Amino acid sequence: GENVEQHPSTLSVQEGDSAVIKCTYSDSASNYFPWYKQELGKRPQLIIDIRSNVGEKKDQRIAVTLNKTAKHFSLHITETQPEDSAVYFCAASRDRTGANSKLTFGKGITLSVRP
Amino acid sequence: DTGVSQNPRHKITKRGQNVTFRCDPISEHNRLYWYRQTLGQGPEFLTYFQNEAQLEKSRLLSDRFSAERPKGSFSTLEIQRTEQGDSAMYLCASSPSTVSGELFFGEGSRLTVL
Repeated sequence: GENVEQHPSTLSVQEGDSAVIKCTYSDSASNYFPWYKQELGKRPQLIIDIRSNVGEKKDQRIAVTLNKTAKHFSLHITETQPEDSAVYFCAASRDRTGANSKLTFGKGITLSVRP
Repeated sequence: DTGVSQNPRHKITKRGQNVTFRCDPISEHNRLYWYRQTLGQGPEFLTYFQNEAQLEKSRLLSDRFSAERPKGSFSTLEIQRTEQGDSAMYLCASSPSTVSGELFFGEGSRLTVL
């Protein structure tokens, strides 16, 4: 089955700096890669996703890049703000029918943005 | 609120008791998922439904766990003979069968087994 790994487990940045969070996956058949943000005590929420037919996707201050050959993808957050502090989960799935069968999540990385 | 609804939000039970959680998905969504999350970990897949059909079950889902979605709307997750290792947050999510892959999670049901 799919194995998704995130390293490191914590990341601290100064407000205004950029943050990069990396993820690796094992299943070369995976073709859908979302990132979820979970604030303390809240539900996970999708912030951005990418499919294997593109290499990069941007949405305002966040972007995701995908390297299929190396089987890794990264989340980039620019101009970080204190409200970006949260746990970020990457995930992967084989998206056969246009909707997910199942997502395999990484363990998450805790991002702290220092004011 | 038209989001995914789960209840109860918290359940404390003694080892050996049975518990049942309910999930009401977003009404137009025909896919429904159950995940389990423990402290410091990402959500772990348990099972999912397309309408009333249970399409996949994780090997994590022992025979003490059963999930149903009888009419293709709400779902229940029952844990029989609970063990302390079952203590976790049980998350339900739903998604439409469209190109979008987004999962919409509920707030979760936290289970504590004493």
